[in-house]
Amino acid sequence: GAVVSQHPSWVICKSGTSVKIECRSLDFQATTMFWYRQFPKQSLMLMATSNEGSKATYEQGVEKDKFLINHASLTLSTLTVTSAHPEDSSFYICSAPRTGSDTGELFFGEGSRLTVL
Amino acid sequence: KQEVTQIPAALSVPEGENLVLNCSFTDSAIYNLQWFRQDPGKGLTSLLLIQSSQREQTSGRLNASLDKSSGRSTLYIAASQPGDSATYLCAVGPGANSKLTFGKGITLSVRP
Repeated sequence: GAVVSQHPSWVICKSGTSVKIECRSLDFQATTMFWYRQFPKQSLMLMATSNEGSKATYEQGVEKDKFLINHASLTLSTLTVTSAHPEDSSFYICSAPRTGSDTGELFFGEGSRLTVL
Repeated sequence: KQEVTQIPAALSVPEGENLVLNCSFTDSAIYNLQWFRQDPGKGLTSLLLIQSSQREQTSGRLNASLDKSSGRSTLYIAASQPGDSATYLCAVGPGANSKLTFGKGITLSVRP
């Protein structure tokens, strides 16, 4: 299977600061990456679709100015939580399909746990 | 809007038991269905992927079936082991390389 890596795996920050989370496809190219958020004992909710070389597509209710997404290369997408607040504390997971594959299989990163104090 | 349901939310079984985890979805126009495993505080591990044209997929002690017309999938785990304890998530996708819609998952506990 393909490997998707996220960094950092966990981060603690003060309220009002910004945090950047990286998502890398290690052994395949990904023109599209998906960012999900998961609250405790809840399912994964899609936040946005990251597209290489173009603007991300955000789901309804997700503030694009708060959750900045950059997909600068075929193997890297970043999610920046700007001016983080305690309610942004969550588990953030990225995923990507292998470009050129028609199976639709998504490969997921290990997740990044954000705690905002 | 696609909705994915997994019931019950939690399940506890003794070791060695064969078990079935259920998943249902409201829109049968899916491209594929994936079953994932999630350990506490961890990311997702893909278990099985079933294309819409397929009826089932098998991997080791796991077997997943898909009845697209009725909007149902099952994950069968044979001879369960304590190491199978985790949350199992079902997700459906409407097209190739498209986003997935997830159920809330079933938290399985296998007692030694």
